[in-house]
Amino acid sequence: SQQGEEDPQALSIQEGENATMNCSYKTSINNLQWYRQNSGRGLVHLILIRSNEREKHSGRLRVTLDTSKKSSSLLITASRAADTASYFCASGRMVTGAGSYQLTFGKGTKLSVIP
Amino acid sequence: NAGVTQTPKFQVLKTGQSMTLQCAQDMNHNSMYWYRQDPGMGLRLIYYSASEGTTDKGEVPNGYNVSRLNKREFSLRLESAAPSQTSVYFCASSRATVMNTEAFFGQGTRLTVV
Repeated sequence: SQQGEEDPQALSIQEGENATMNCSYKTSINNLQWYRQNSGRGLVHLILIRSNEREKHSGRLRVTLDTSKKSSSLLITASRAADTASYFCASGRMVTGAGSYQLTFGKGTKLSVIP
Repeated sequence: NAGVTQTPKFQVLKTGQSMTLQCAQDMNHNSMYWYRQDPGMGLRLIYYSASEGTTDKGEVPNGYNVSRLNKREFSLRLESAAPSQTSVYFCASSRATVMNTEAFFGQGTRLTVV
């Protein structure tokens, strides 16, 4: 089963409003990442928060992480029509003994920003 | 800057046919990944390669094989395609160190098996 689960599955807001997406994960992680996907394109990395961090900002993005609840949220402030896309959280963890790093994605939130 | 390049972009196969999806990265990354994306399912890991010469199964490896040809290239092979393998396939790469784990994605291969 998938590690990350986003909530809501779809979100429609007016331009200028804030958009909040939530993500839950199941096992211990090294970091939690958020990616954006425009229709028909590859994923683009937005922001990473480490397991020992609680909040991080990047431009209009704000990410929080609560490791006790195994959850994260992504806030996009003052949304624009160009923010219309699908947003995915991805939990990252180093696989002990294998020396490898796994990135496990959730099912995504489809955000529509109406002009 | 090329980043991660996948070929082909589109492919239609008949059931039972075989094909190889190619992926190359020019960022000198250690780790490479193959994911498939289906509607409502997000991205699921098929196989990954932590470094040149190693490969490991992900969440949904059945029906696929991979080859890490060198540090740059990681190919995904479907030996006998099935309609259930109709999907969009993404290759990704990452430096995959404790301090640097951002993944870079290719543009995807849209595969239809009829």
